[in-house]
Amino acid sequence: KQEVTQIPAALSVPEGENLVLNCSFTDSAIYNLQWFRQDPGKGLTSLLLIQSSQREQTSGRLNASLDKSSGRSTLYIAASQPGDSATYLCAAYYGNNRLAFGKGNQVVVIP
Amino acid sequence: DARVTQTPRHKVTEMGQEVTMRCQPILGHNTVFWYRQTMMQGLELLAYFRNRAPLDDSGMPKDRFSAEMPDATLATLKIQPSEPRDSAVYFCASGEDRQETQYFGPGTRLLVL
Repeated sequence: KQEVTQIPAALSVPEGENLVLNCSFTDSAIYNLQWFRQDPGKGLTSLLLIQSSQREQTSGRLNASLDKSSGRSTLYIAASQPGDSATYLCAAYYGNNRLAFGKGNQVVVIP
Repeated sequence: DARVTQTPRHKVTEMGQEVTMRCQPILGHNTVFWYRQTMMQGLELLAYFRNRAPLDDSGMPKDRFSAEMPDATLATLKIQPSEPRDSAVYFCASGEDRQETQYFGPGTRLLVL
């Protein structure tokens, strides 16, 4: 079974600190790994997509790395801000339009 | 600004009633997904359509749930009869095969009393 795990389920950090969110997946035969953001009461918004041939992807203060062999991805958010407070979900794409989602990391950035 | 729309945004109903949720995918997208999100289970895939044809609905309780795409601009998810354990947020997402990602609607928050 293709399972995706995110630990911890929730965390809080002071404003300005760097955030590190971890994602692990059991089946390494992924096409890509995606990170989404979900704000309370809202849908999911795609943040970053890393192809299986890539090691990392960057967008502004966000950087996501992928280690396919060990089944891990990490999302780094530099110099966190209160506006970064949200739930971050990772999803492994295995083809046929199937995304296997983790349950998310709920992040609170304390001003 | 193309986006997936869902109606209603909130629904409160009593056990045994029929619930219909609607989704308008992004114009031009050929895949549509229905997900259910709960605190305990996270996001679960209920049904998946490509070019309006249902490809996988194995995640859906068949006795009470049904999903259809009457046309390319409308997807529906029905629950009949509804039960309290159906209380959740139901998301619709759409995409294109070549993009390998999905675009989510804002969800329908369902409460069955």
